[in-house]
Amino acid sequence: DTAVSQTPKYLVTQMGNDKSIKCEQNLGHDTMYWYKQDSKKFLKIMFSYNNKELIINETVPNRFSPKSPDKAHLNLHINSLELGDSAVYFCASSQLIADLAGELFFGEGSRLTVL
Amino acid sequence: GESVGLHLPTLSVQEGDNSIINCAYSNSASDYFIWYKQESGKGPQFIIDIRSNMDKRQGQRVTVLLNKTVKHLSLQIAATQPGDSAVYFCAERGGFKTIFGAGTRLFVKA
Repeated sequence: DTAVSQTPKYLVTQMGNDKSIKCEQNLGHDTMYWYKQDSKKFLKIMFSYNNKELIINETVPNRFSPKSPDKAHLNLHINSLELGDSAVYFCASSQLIADLAGELFFGEGSRLTVL
Repeated sequence: GESVGLHLPTLSVQEGDNSIINCAYSNSASDYFIWYKQESGKGPQFIIDIRSNMDKRQGQRVTVLLNKTVKHLSLQIAATQPGDSAVYFCAERGGFKTIFGAGTRLFVKA
């Protein structure tokens, strides 16, 4: 039973297209995230939602728009795709409780290739 | 700006030996420091964490050391096994934000 699942796993598309990645978590967590991992494995936070409210928005181009219809889902829509958007996008969730680390639970990633 | 870790280095160890993976951080206000393991084709997975007011924490075969004086974090893996081969990330959490370092690739030679 997958805790954090994201679809699609692979996405190959042309420059200029619009695409979406979906994420769902069944852990009952309040907080969800999108991270981008580049070819050098560097993981950079993009967005975070807590109970459907946007709480983190890191200098990400306006072409990226997250949407959280409920606290179990966080989708990422990307407009006018560029070559530099090619990366692996990870969804994660966490539950922040006092005196605990609030570890992140990650999905398996969505590899986006822009041609 | 904030930064955690170094550019992706590689550590190669013999099976059965101990591994030490190091990380430098710059944000002293973090609440927790966390190590994650990422296997090929998968998302990062939590290994162990340490609260900012501690200097050592032990888990099963893993130990994390935190030196706040020099802003240094390390992960020690005892009796390294082939299944430990992966990329290891240090991360720091402050509030809702978790920032990752660049990672270290660990190769275990049989």
